[in-house]
Amino acid sequence: SQQGEEDPQALSIQEGENATMNCSYKTSINNLQWYRQNSGRGLVHLILIRSNEREKHSGRLRVTLDTSKKSSSLLITASRAADTASYFCATDPTSGTYKYIFGTGTRLKVLA
Amino acid sequence: GAGVSQTPSNKVTEKGKYVELRCDPISGHTALYWYRQSLGQGPEFLIYFQGTGAADDSGLPNDRFFAVRPEGSVSTLKIQRTERGDSAVYLCASSRTSGNEQFFGPGTRLTVL
Repeated sequence: SQQGEEDPQALSIQEGENATMNCSYKTSINNLQWYRQNSGRGLVHLILIRSNEREKHSGRLRVTLDTSKKSSSLLITASRAADTASYFCATDPTSGTYKYIFGTGTRLKVLA
Repeated sequence: GAGVSQTPSNKVTEKGKYVELRCDPISGHTALYWYRQSLGQGPEFLIYFQGTGAADDSGLPNDRFFAVRPEGSVSTLKIQRTERGDSAVYLCASSRTSGNEQFFGPGTRLTVL
């Protein structure tokens, strides 16, 4: 079953604009992670936010977590063509193990 | 240091054959994860190891799939009697310990004809 779902499924913006992606999940979590995947196979870790945190920043990335709404958002500011990729959230349900459940992803296209 | 490596990068096999996929994690990482990713989908959890033991294998789709990590480092995912539906990219990731950021390998693209 799908724990996380990203929204929107696809997003196309102009270079320099901000991009916001959302992730909703179903059960309580220990932490939530965001990953990027370029065309090809490898996923790159972006940010990990723990359940007792509300916001984290890393460079042009800002992640928020609202555990009451079971949702998270990823904001990329001043986007670049190189940000074109698929973005996934992964949640770690508080089920006693650390299996991570990935969402379906948001495909971001940044136009130069 | 070296990242996570996976071999082979591509594997084409015939229906019914046995395949082994290998993952070399980052040295010192105690947690190792296997995922499967189909086109247009997110990675699907298969199994994860903490050390040598499988801490959670609830994602393995059936008993044709098996994974080992005998010395707590390299892991092998084994698929018996492959079916066309097993075709996907198989991803391996490792982390320092469970619950931390995962570092992914490039994946093995498995094609079952």
